[in-house]
Amino acid sequence: GENVEQHPSTLSVQEGDSAVIKCTYSDSASNYFPWYKQELGKRPQLIIDIRSNVGEKKDQRIAVTLNKTAKHFSLHITETQPEDSAVYFCAAGSWGKLQFGAGTQVVVTP
Amino acid sequence: EPEVTQTPSHQVTQMGQEVILRCVPISNHLYFYWYRQILGQKVEFLVSFYNNEISEKSEIFDDQFSVERPDGSNFTLKIRSTKLEDSAMYFCASSEGQGLISGGYTFGSGTRLTVV
Repeated sequence: GENVEQHPSTLSVQEGDSAVIKCTYSDSASNYFPWYKQELGKRPQLIIDIRSNVGEKKDQRIAVTLNKTAKHFSLHITETQPEDSAVYFCAAGSWGKLQFGAGTQVVVTP
Repeated sequence: EPEVTQTPSHQVTQMGQEVILRCVPISNHLYFYWYRQILGQKVEFLVSFYNNEISEKSEIFDDQFSVERPDGSNFTLKIRSTKLEDSAMYFCASSEGQGLISGGYTFGSGTRLTVV
């Protein structure tokens, strides 16, 4: 089955700097790679996703890249703001089944 | 914005008791899921459901678990005989479609299950 590794587990950045979170996956059949933001005690919320036929996707300050050959994908947040502080989860799989990474606690300090 | 609704928000149950967690997916969504998150850990896949049958399930989803869509709006997760290790936040999710067509999952706000 799919195994997703996520790094780093914690990330502290100064407000305005960029944050990068990296994930690797094991199953070459995976075709869907979403990223979720989870604030303490709340539901995961989809922030961006990418499918296996696309190498890069951007939405304002957030971008995701996918390298199918190397089986890794990354989340990039530019111009970080305090409200970006949360746990971010990557996931990989297919429509019926997603495996999540262990999460990255992002702390943005003013 | 449409939401996935889960009830109750918190359930406390005695070990060995049966619990039913309830979800109302977004009305035009066809695919339904249950995930769980033990406190401080990753979100774990339990089961996906489409066209009134299970599509995929994980190793966690053993004979103690079952899902049902009893009517046109509800989607339930039943745990027959709860164990202490079933204590977790259980998230229901739904999606409109699948594969290259669908949008992402929308998660509900979760039911915190505490088994004592």
